[in-house]
Order: sequence, then structure tokens, then C-alpha cells
Amino acid sequence: SQQGEEDPQALSIQEGENATMNCSYKTSINNLQWYRQNSGRGLVHLILIRSNEREKHSGRLRVTLDTSKKSSSLLITASRAADTASYFCATYYGGATNKLIFGTGTLLAVQP
Amino acid sequence: GAVVSQHPSWVICKSGTSVKIECRSLDFQATTMFWYRQFPKQSLMLMATSNEGSKATYEQGVEKDKFLINHASLTLSTLTVTSAHPEDSSFYICSARRLAGAHYNEQFFGPGTRLTVL
Repeated sequence: SQQGEEDPQALSIQEGENATMNCSYKTSINNLQWYRQNSGRGLVHLILIRSNEREKHSGRLRVTLDTSKKSSSLLITASRAADTASYFCATYYGGATNKLIFGTGTLLAVQP
Repeated sequence: GAVVSQHPSWVICKSGTSVKIECRSLDFQATTMFWYRQFPKQSLMLMATSNEGSKATYEQGVEKDKFLINHASLTLSTLTVTSAHPEDSSFYICSARRLAGAHYNEQFFGPGTRLTVL
């Protein structure tokens, strides 16, 4: 399967705590992206990190990328109840066809 | 900018009927559109890649005669689920790739269509 793996599959934390999600992928990449999806809704693009970058920040989000291990992590600091959602990493696969393939996802529940 | 719409947002149909879902890029031209399917509590699975003016490329395991894709223009792609059955009930999401000017493979996602087959 082309699909990347994410862990944990589910994560429950209290408001104010930090949440860390990990993503492993299978092929060489140009970039890796993270998306959020609220239950039953569409995708929201969070952040893109290029293969030559090791870390990137956007507000309360911090993404790291380790191309030698083919892995990435998403850290959400000072979590809020509104952060409750599923989070997916996604990478391009297929050379010229450049198909965006999603990881298995992490379901984050932030308890108020 | 870069808005992708889908219509309808939800549809309920009887088993055996066909359902058409439209995907439009509202403010940009898209050479390529993608169709994904998402079952409850699962990730998005790519079904097919649709290029304007040519036949769609289907992923392994996706029946091209059941999921008909037409990419008639640079702003519109349609997915028709033919002879739908309850197991086709799912959340269908389209994505459009911008034609030019993107620094990387920029894709924009529609809000999804919830299909329920009774």
C-alpha cells in the first residue's frame, strides 16, 4: 500500500496540554503536508514542509521532518477543545502523476 | 482564492440508482482533479485522477465502469456512481490542482459529498 502510517491512531488529552502525532511515509518526497478534518467535514490544510526543511512553525503548530527516517511529527501546543479533529499527513506519490496520498490519520480529542 | 465546490453536499438514493457528484474549481483552472473516498473513521483513499480532456486513471481496485469520471472542462469534473449499492455509501471528496503559477503541487479540496444508499 502507498499509504503512510500515523500514530497514535487516537489521542485524548486535556485542554492546555500538548499533542504530538507522528507520520511515517514510504517514498522519497519533495514535501509533506498536514491536514485537519473535523468530523464529517472537508479538509483544512495546516502546513507544508519541504524536504530540505527540518522544522516549521505556524502559530501553535510545529512540524518536524526527518527524511532519513521517512517520518514527520506534528505538535500542537496549548491545545484547545476546538482542536478536536482528525489529523492526516499527506505526501505525493507516483513521480509524474504526483498523486497526493494520505496517512491513516490520528483522531485527537481535547477534553475541556 | 482557490475555492473548490462540490454539489450536492449530501444525497440519499435508493439501491440501483445512479448518482452524479460535481466538483468545480471556482476561481482557478485545474488541469487535474482527484476523487477520494472516505469511509467512517478511516482515511481518504484515492479513487482516480482526472485530467481535462482525457480518460481518468483509476487506482487499483476501483471499478471504472462503476465510478464514471468526466473532466469536461478546466473547472468541472463529475463523478457518477452507477447502480449504487449500500456499500457505496461513503464520503466522496474531490480535489483540484491549480493549472499554473503554483510553486509546488498545490491542491485544493472540496467540502465533500455524503452519499447514503438505502
